[in-house]
Amino acid sequence: NAGVTQTPKFRVLKTGQSMTLLCAQDMNHEYMYWYRQDPGMGLRLIHYSVGEGTTAKGEVPDGYNVSRLKKQNFLLGLESAAPSQTSVYFCASSYSWQRGGAYNEQFFGPGTRLTVL
Amino acid sequence: RKEVEQDPGPFNVPEGATVAFNCTYSNSASQSFFWYRQDCRKEPKLLMSVYSSGNEDGRFTAQLNRASQYISLLIRDSKLSDSATYLCVVNKNSNYQLIWGAGTKLIIKP
Repeated sequence: NAGVTQTPKFRVLKTGQSMTLLCAQDMNHEYMYWYRQDPGMGLRLIHYSVGEGTTAKGEVPDGYNVSRLKKQNFLLGLESAAPSQTSVYFCASSYSWQRGGAYNEQFFGPGTRLTVL
Repeated sequence: RKEVEQDPGPFNVPEGATVAFNCTYSNSASQSFFWYRQDCRKEPKLLMSVYSSGNEDGRFTAQLNRASQYISLLIRDSKLSDSATYLCVVNKNSNYQLIWGAGTKLIIKP
């Protein structure tokens, strides 16, 4: 099992360009998440999905869009990149959610390092 | 005030020593608590969940203090391989969205 994979691993964009980050998981997880990680800050949730065909906004959704057409894939789009979107992007997945339950562990992909010039 | 606060460190600790760090959280409705470990330029990985009664996994012990709204992580007999950033994570209200601390950097020295 590959777990959670992300493509690409690195990308440099110019301001105004668009791109899509792909996340794939082979663990049959229901829940998937996109985070960004910036120096000195905790991971911040951009968007998430609780199942195929569903998406919802997280803490910092502006400037991003997502789609979950297949259970195993979660796409993150940047329509018009800005320097403030320079960050490391992590995708994660989890089986489900139970209060205090054992299925809450989030499994992460290796990250995408994005620089917007 | 940040929802989850951690001392950023770094904590420089000699190999074999015991080290502990705390994390405070602001939302009294939070129900689930975790410690994740993140190595340099890698993805976070779950170290352990934190249960109300406290829990231990080998050299690692986690405690929850609901009254004071903090969780703690104790590492005994520290190894060089324990060098990493430790992320405190708390669920938002009672749902599955997680709030992540910025992390505490730990450096174990020979």
